[in-house]
Amino acid sequence: EAGVVQSPRYKIIEKKQPVAFWCNPISGHNTLYWYRQNLGQGPELLIRYENEEAVDDSQLPKDRFSAERLKGVDSTLKIQPAELGDSAVYLCASRNLRDRFLNEQFFGPGTRLTVL
Amino acid sequence: RKEVEQDPGPFNVPEGATVAFNCTYSNSASQSFFWYRQDCRKEPKLLMSVYSSGNEDGRFTAQLNRASQYISLLIRDSKLSDSATYLCVVTGSMDQLIWGAGTKLIIKP
Repeated sequence: EAGVVQSPRYKIIEKKQPVAFWCNPISGHNTLYWYRQNLGQGPELLIRYENEEAVDDSQLPKDRFSAERLKGVDSTLKIQPAELGDSAVYLCASRNLRDRFLNEQFFGPGTRLTVL
Repeated sequence: RKEVEQDPGPFNVPEGATVAFNCTYSNSASQSFFWYRQDCRKEPKLLMSVYSSGNEDGRFTAQLNRASQYISLLIRDSKLSDSATYLCVVTGSMDQLIWGAGTKLIIKP
């Protein structure tokens, strides 16, 4: 079974430029998460989707960040315009809500963003 | 105060030693607890869930003390391949995962 797929793996942009990340979760997983992870820190949740609905976006900086999961499958996270402080690894994770007891999240390899 | 706090690390231990990680959490309503492992420049992966009665998986033992809001992970007979960052994770009031900063473990031959 394929895992969580993310692209691109690496992205280098100049500040004020836009950038987009794509994620395809594990087939059948209805819950999708976007996290940001800075060096030496744990992942910080940006947004959580259950199917196509964003159920928790309280930590998403909405002035510059946006996300969508139109058909409840793959998802895109966008930053416009990017700032130097946005340099981080952006991780996508998915989970099968029916596995509520286990609560395991499966992560993609992440996109390492560098803003110059 | 952070919601989930872990030993700052790194821990440098010789191969074969026993190593213990500590974690405290602030939300007394947290219901689920986990240890994830993250290799350098890789994504986090679930190592084990932590149950109230304590649980063991081979060389790994996890324990939970709800009264003290404390979680631990013990690794016995450590191997070189155990070198990684160990992340303590608890669930929040909206069933979201709240992550500690992680403790880096370096096993030396």
